[in-house]
Amino acid sequence: NAGVTQTPKFRVLKTGQSMTLLCAQDMNHEYMYWYRQDPGMGLRLIHYSVGEGTTAKGEVPDGYNVSRLKKQNFLLGLESAAPSQTSVYFCASSKAGTILAYEQYFGPGTRLTVT
Amino acid sequence: AQTVTQSQPEMSVQEAETVTLSCTYDTSESDYYLFWYKQPPSRQMILVIRQEAYKQQNATENRFSVNFQKAAKSFSLKISDSQLGDAAMYFCAYVRQGGSEKLVFGKGTKLTVNP
Repeated sequence: NAGVTQTPKFRVLKTGQSMTLLCAQDMNHEYMYWYRQDPGMGLRLIHYSVGEGTTAKGEVPDGYNVSRLKKQNFLLGLESAAPSQTSVYFCASSKAGTILAYEQYFGPGTRLTVT
Repeated sequence: AQTVTQSQPEMSVQEAETVTLSCTYDTSESDYYLFWYKQPPSRQMILVIRQEAYKQQNATENRFSVNFQKAAKSFSLKISDSQLGDAAMYFCAYVRQGGSEKLVFGKGTKLTVNP
């Protein structure tokens, strides 16, 4: 059981480039989330999904897009990277329908630097 | 909007002693959950303890316990018999029951454990 995995672990982009971060979970969880973590800011929710084919905006969605084509995968896209998107990105998942839905399992994070 | 405040950016404790990390939150909801997450230098987010708002009894997990004061909207974490491995960032988090399980995080407290 790998839990929640994220690809890649590190990435450096130039301003204006695009990239996609992949999150995969093997726990059959319905809910998936993307957060960003900046120094002194804690974690902030970018987008989330409550099921395959559905996505919704979180607290800081601007500049990002997401897709959930398969239940186990949640992709985060940056169409035109900006230095303000330099951050550590975390994916998380949780199981719907029970109290366990409120416990999120996190991936190891992706450190993204935009120059 | 719900907010979570951790007023101590940094704390330190001597090995084997006890330390308490503070967290307050603002909500008009009556049904919610509170969490403490630990983030060691590896960046992995680890769930430490969970408290359901409808439970009066404070949650405990081995050396970790909470002091949940619902009326005061306070949720502190006590670590007993501190160990070097407890050194990490600690994040307090809130989620409204029925709120698509979206966590709201505080900005974190960096805990140093001195040998």
